[in-house]
Amino acid sequence: EADIYQTPRYLVIGTGKKITLECSQTMGHDKMYWYQQDPGMELHLIHYSYGVNSTEKGDLSSESTVSRIRTEHFPLTLESARPSHTSQYLCASSESRGDVNIQYFGAGTRLSVL
Amino acid sequence: KNQVEQSPQSLIILEGKNCTLQCNYTVSPFSNLRWYKQDTGRGPVSLTIMTFSENTKSNGRYTATLDADTKQSSLHITASQLSDSASYICVVSDRGSTLGRLYFGRGTQLTVWP
Repeated sequence: EADIYQTPRYLVIGTGKKITLECSQTMGHDKMYWYQQDPGMELHLIHYSYGVNSTEKGDLSSESTVSRIRTEHFPLTLESARPSHTSQYLCASSESRGDVNIQYFGAGTRLSVL
Repeated sequence: KNQVEQSPQSLIILEGKNCTLQCNYTVSPFSNLRWYKQDTGRGPVSLTIMTFSENTKSNGRYTATLDADTKQSSLHITASQLSDSASYICVVSDRGSTLGRLYFGRGTQLTVWP
């Protein structure tokens, strides 16, 4: 069982609100990730981090931003939520075992913007 | 373009029966292939990871195979249980970057009926 936690699990908010999705891991992993997943679709990488003060945009363009001030914490922020942001957001962290990068996922936050 | 294709898209079987899920990929250079199980509303959980030199790997009732020459993998589930109902995602990692980029399939939605 991976020690990676996401809050809230579910969030319903109105358009224009600022929101922050929390992600924390207690495994001491340097690499962390945010994915976006729509129902029945594949996960798309939207942000990743190699470590403290390192953040990069992923393959899928996103209006969200992230920060990595502490190793264990990788929050995602939407300054002004819109209905198009409705989706499931999954956070992950990873460790390396030889050449293999093992990713552990949180339970996800299901966001609905009205 | 690196891609991961899974089939079937969805599958319904009766409890106790066996089933096989397929994954074809074009990711190159190939590093490893993983199968994840994702319960509804949850994050993916790793079932197996196979590197280039591995042809088969088992995890309880789950057996994954890999043919790196034809770029195909399968996940065989034996004696299915109701708790096997989930989405099974094939994920391929390349070794062309430090990040170990992951390419996700859309998953096969398995439903096990009593």
